[in-house]
Amino acid sequence: GAGVSQTPSNKVTEKGKYVELRCDPISGHTALYWYRQSLGQGPEFLIYFQGTGAADDSGLPNDRFFAVRPEGSVSTLKIQRTERGDSAVYLCASSLTLGGAWTGELFFGEGSRLTVL
Amino acid sequence: QKEVEQNSGPLSVPEGAIASLNCTYSDRGSQSFFWYRQYSGKSPELIMSIYSNGDKEDGRFTAQLNKASQYVSLLIRDSQPSDSATYLCAGRPSSYGKLTFGQGTILTVHP
Repeated sequence: GAGVSQTPSNKVTEKGKYVELRCDPISGHTALYWYRQSLGQGPEFLIYFQGTGAADDSGLPNDRFFAVRPEGSVSTLKIQRTERGDSAVYLCASSLTLGGAWTGELFFGEGSRLTVL
Repeated sequence: QKEVEQNSGPLSVPEGAIASLNCTYSDRGSQSFFWYRQYSGKSPELIMSIYSNGDKEDGRFTAQLNKASQYVSLLIRDSQPSDSATYLCAGRPSSYGKLTFGQGTILTVHP
């Protein structure tokens, strides 16, 4: 597709359940980012991939959160034993890396709204 | 101290006025800065990027960067009701890597 695609757009789950959120970046973008945004707050950084590897995972709040990008394209954010405090909009963004067309801009998907009951 | 701080507002201006949005950052190593606009229920979209001290103009928008004062601002001239949104300031410590966002400033432009 032309933009960053995230699925599901909405996810309601019960406390303690496992959740997967998927992100399909813009074709050709090697950098992929996950952010979390709570109501009234700015996006909070979680993890950044360069290709297949996690270049910076310093924002993952604890070991219940994990993300993968096995083929350097689609990424999955995995949340184990969900808690009510995990409720937020999870945003994925992609960008080009340094090079002639690089602008530093992050292109965001529409987000996955997670509600933990 | 948060890495990127913004006045949370809300900021309300009349149509046609200049809206001034401000942002400070704590990491002196930050090299590039971005202003994103986020409409309610939508994802952030880039308005301006700025890398060097001084002003950068794009249409009705002007971004200003002062690295000595660790200060970034966005001016919106001839504000329109369609400019009503949350404006997010973001900084990046190097040429690549994570963007750190402020908490956003809610702007309302009333007719």
